[in-house]
Amino acid sequence: EVQLVQSGAEVKKPGESLRISCKGTGYSFTSYWISWVRQTPGKGLEWMGRIDPSDSYSPSFQGHVTISADKSISTAYLQWSSLQASDSATYYCARQTYNYYYLDVWGKGTTVTVSS
Amino acid sequence: QTVVTQEPSFSVSPGGTVTLTCGLSSGSVSTRHYPSWYQQTPGQAPRTLIYSTDSRSSGVPDRFSGSILGNKAALTITGAQADDESDYYCVLYLGSGSVVFGGGTKLTVL
Repeated sequence: EVQLVQSGAEVKKPGESLRISCKGTGYSFTSYWISWVRQTPGKGLEWMGRIDPSDSYSPSFQGHVTISADKSISTAYLQWSSLQASDSATYYCARQTYNYYYLDVWGKGTTVTVSS
Repeated sequence: QTVVTQEPSFSVSPGGTVTLTCGLSSGSVSTRHYPSWYQQTPGQAPRTLIYSTDSRSSGVPDRFSGSILGNKAALTITGAQADDESDYYCVLYLGSGSVVFGGGTKLTVL
């Protein structure tokens, strides 16, 4: 079964660093891009950007986060060096095809809460 | 900046048909935008319904269909059921692997 398994919920303070993960199973991890999608409470979905795990190419990623991938363990990461309260959201990773450009498999989401 | 527009809310009667639309703030939506549609219920991850304008994702009932209507992408639900009450999002491809979400439509079945 194709799955994206995301890391668990996080509670952090402003200024702290954080890395959340997304592990792909049941498929060739380098054959699809991984996208990250953000959702703040009660709001809509926002595409943040994507990475090609085969070469870690990630064009024009939004905001002050860093995206990376380790193809040896089929895992993509979203990383903050200094969290802000406005980073509080649920973050979904999704597999993105590069023929029809849609998001075909979704992780369950990681909720990040940033509060002093 | 490209803005994708969707109706904020819509209601449909059980068994009825509803068409949700997805437009661009400037210009027309075409098949070159590879429109896709997603369903999300509260507390759940999105579920992929339609891709590449009118292709149904695996396991999606055929009462969900996608199309281009005029200058917009459209999602039509035929024979609406209570569990279709969800938020629906469209996504358009902008090029270079980038996509953008619409603001979503909250569908009420009553």
